[in-house]
Amino acid sequence: SQTIHQWPATLVQPVGSPLSLECTVEGTSNPNLYWYRQAAGRGLQLLFYSVGIGQISSEVPQNLSASRPQDRQFILSSKKLLLSDSGFYLCAWIQGQGRTNYGYTFGSGTRLTVV
Amino acid sequence: KNEVEQSPQNLTAQEGEFITINCSYSVGISALHWLQQHPGGGIVSLFMLSSGKKKHGRLIATINIQEKHSSLHITASHPRDSAVYICAVVFTGANSKLTFGKGITLSVRP
Repeated sequence: SQTIHQWPATLVQPVGSPLSLECTVEGTSNPNLYWYRQAAGRGLQLLFYSVGIGQISSEVPQNLSASRPQDRQFILSSKKLLLSDSGFYLCAWIQGQGRTNYGYTFGSGTRLTVV
Repeated sequence: KNEVEQSPQNLTAQEGEFITINCSYSVGISALHWLQQHPGGGIVSLFMLSSGKKKHGRLIATINIQEKHSSLHITASHPRDSAVYICAVVFTGANSKLTFGKGITLSVRP
């Protein structure tokens, strides 16, 4: 079956500390992968997307980076967290051949609080 | 500017009521999604629409492409329907990237 794993569920980190959030998918190959963030009082916003290993596109300038070391692994990182990095981070991937049906599967999310 | 608007922002209903949540968007789309987010944050995909109407249990989603508008209806609402309902679209030419509305917080009272 097709599933997506995202961890950790919650995280409290001090300002200036590094960050690594991981997302892995099962039951598919060569998915499009996405990282979204939901800041307080705002809608989800696309941060990064990847159409293949090592291929990363950034949607907004920020303090974060993403990597895709394996086909079904997507990692969100930061070298030094800022208070403004607090939020809810969501990993997602597209189902379906040829990306034509736009059927998304979402991870359970990570709530990050930077203190 | 490609935008997604949802209304009302907050909604309170009595158990058993028929509920309608609205979504409008600014330009043409390839697909529209209705998502449900429960306390704690996990998101579940309810519907994906590109035209017409879909039904699943007590949930009905409709879309009017000409009007650039979609509605999510909940029949015979129940307290367990309390959640944030999010509309998200794939704008034409945006590949598969989603643009999200801010979501509507629904509270159903017993």
